[in-house]
Amino acid sequence: AQKVTQAQTEISVVEKEDVTLDCVYETRDTTYYLFWYKQPPSGELVFLIRRNSFDEQNEISGRYSWNFQKSTSSFNFTITASQVVDSAVYFCALGRSKNRDDKIIFGKGTRLHILP
Amino acid sequence: DTGVSQDPRHKITKRGQNVTFRCDPISEHNRLYWYRQTLGQGPEFLTYFQNEAQLEKSRLLSDRFSAERPKGSFSTLEIQRTEQGDSAMYLCASSLVGAGNSPLHFGNGTRLTVT
Repeated sequence: AQKVTQAQTEISVVEKEDVTLDCVYETRDTTYYLFWYKQPPSGELVFLIRRNSFDEQNEISGRYSWNFQKSTSSFNFTITASQVVDSAVYFCALGRSKNRDDKIIFGKGTRLHILP
Repeated sequence: DTGVSQDPRHKITKRGQNVTFRCDPISEHNRLYWYRQTLGQGPEFLTYFQNEAQLEKSRLLSDRFSAERPKGSFSTLEIQRTEQGDSAMYLCASSLVGAGNSPLHFGNGTRLTVT
């Protein structure tokens, strides 16, 4: 069975601090995709990153970075020098690569509060 | 690229009434998905289409729910005989080819309240 666990329900940090959001996944597939989405208070889910299971290279995009570790089935997300605009709910998600069954499974999300 | 649009944004209905939501995907996207999100939870998959063909339906989708995508463009989700438990945000998303290897683009959702 596929499953995504985001153990941190809610996190609060002061602006400019670094924060890491944890994501642990379960799958029997050898090929799969991992995603992070952001849901600001406006409600729309915004795509942040997609990672193929064969690519364990960490990725950095501005203040965002992702650490993919297959050995621990984790795909953690770090925001460096957080800003108030980063306040949102962040979802980690897992997708399969088979053409006819590739719905994405989402975790329950981590609500991030950045305090000014 | 105007994004995925959903209509209406909000719907309040009385228990037992039927409701219908519409989703217009990004024009070149061939896949369209419906998800449901309740408070404090992540989106849950309901169903998806490749062009006009409905390829999968979740067990969450009872027989009161029906979705269509008649011409492979916009889609509608109808809920018959609504129940209070149907209150949720209904999200539509679209992608090109398959979501397993391309990101989903989500709309703003339709928030349903059943009183």
